[in-house]
Amino acid sequence: DTAVSQTPKYLVTQMGNDKSIKCEQNLGHDTMYWYKQDSKKFLKIMFSYNNKELIINETVPNRFSPKSPDKAHLNLHINSLELGDSAVYFCASSQDTASGYGYTFGSGTRLTVV
Amino acid sequence: GDSVTQMEGPVTLSEEAFLTINCTYTATGYPSLFWYVQYPGEGLQLLLKATKADDKGSNKGFEATYRKETTSFHLEKGSVQVSDSAVYFCALRRGATNKLIFGTGTLLAVQP
Repeated sequence: DTAVSQTPKYLVTQMGNDKSIKCEQNLGHDTMYWYKQDSKKFLKIMFSYNNKELIINETVPNRFSPKSPDKAHLNLHINSLELGDSAVYFCASSQDTASGYGYTFGSGTRLTVV
Repeated sequence: GDSVTQMEGPVTLSEEAFLTINCTYTATGYPSLFWYVQYPGEGLQLLLKATKADDKGSNKGFEATYRKETTSFHLEKGSVQVSDSAVYFCALRRGATNKLIFGTGTLLAVQP
């Protein structure tokens, strides 16, 4: 059973389109995250939710909107895709914000905007 | 602000060589420190962690010691294998929101 699963694994789309990436965790964790990894492997946090409440919202274009329908799911919707959005997007979860055990990551979604 | 600096890669070693990947951090207080590993085409996996000064994290033959005086958390392994080839990320944790701040990653390539 995959602990943190993301769909799709690959996404190729044209500029200007709207797309969503879905993430689900079956670990019973309270906190979920979205990270963006660029072509140089640099990882930057985008958003975090704790029990469906947004707690981290980094400087990210308004075209990116996270949604957490319940604490096991965190989806990422991207409007009006641009070439610079091409990257690997990782979802992750942690037990909560206090225990400090680290994250469990999904396997990533490679987004290519053409 | 808080940041993590890692040595630039790639690091290329022969099998059974000794590995050191340097990591230093800048942060207020005493953050928890982590090493993650990313194998090709996969997500990051937690390798080891340390939560306070002088703590040593260890796993799968890898070790790192939290050095407050030098603000460092260098990763070491006595004898690397081809299967250790991956990208290694050092990270620090900011407590209030559990945010992880990552270094730029270091690619390790181990040749037979």
